[in-house]
Amino acid sequence: QVQLQESGPGLVKPSETLSLTCTVSGGSISPYYWNWIRQPAGKGLEWIGHIYTSGSTDYNPSLRSRLTMSVDTSKNQFSLSLTSVTAADTAVYYCARASSGYHYYFDYWGQGTLVTVSS
Amino acid sequence: DIVMTQSPDSLAVSLGERATINCKSSQSVLYSSNNKNYLSWYQQKPGQPPKLLIYWASTRESGVPDRFSGSGSGTDFTLTISSLQAEDVAVYYCQQYYSSPYTFGQGTTLEIK
Repeated sequence: QVQLQESGPGLVKPSETLSLTCTVSGGSISPYYWNWIRQPAGKGLEWIGHIYTSGSTDYNPSLRSRLTMSVDTSKNQFSLSLTSVTAADTAVYYCARASSGYHYYFDYWGQGTLVTVSS
Repeated sequence: DIVMTQSPDSLAVSLGERATINCKSSQSVLYSSNNKNYLSWYQQKPGQPPKLLIYWASTRESGVPDRFSGSGSGTDFTLTISSLQAEDVAVYYCQQYYSSPYTFGQGTTLEIK
């Protein structure tokens, strides 16, 4: 059974960089598209972007200028970096796997990690 | 971006009764070359991540009870719970994966009447 686990600081100061890592266990990280999705408290879901195991990426245009994703296949991990954060970036951040290909549904999700942007 | 609009925003249904949630996309999510609708449904309970219920608009994920079904094509889709159980209380989201950025509906809160 594939499992995903997000990790990273729960509190980030405004204007600083939010960094999260997702560790994949119970299966190979290759060859899948790995996604980040976020959800502000009491609100809906926003797709942030994805990275393929080759390192190719696709980002939500609303975040593209501040976003970098990377993958480390040797560690079965992928990561998210979001710069210049504001309170609007406060949310639960989920990592998720896209089943089988580029345009695919999300079949495995992490439990999510709450990131609060505050001084 | 493709905008996904769900209706209603909230719904109260009696145990054992049918629940129907609608989802409309701002453009078709039917890919003509393979005749597949790039539309999925998720269930989210408090404090939990979303759980995949339905993909390709009507294919039930393994382990999902058969009281859940999806239908529709093009721009109009429906999630139906044929006989509501107490454990079905949750927020339900539709999502298109036809084109990036992938987008979700605003969610429908399902409660027991």
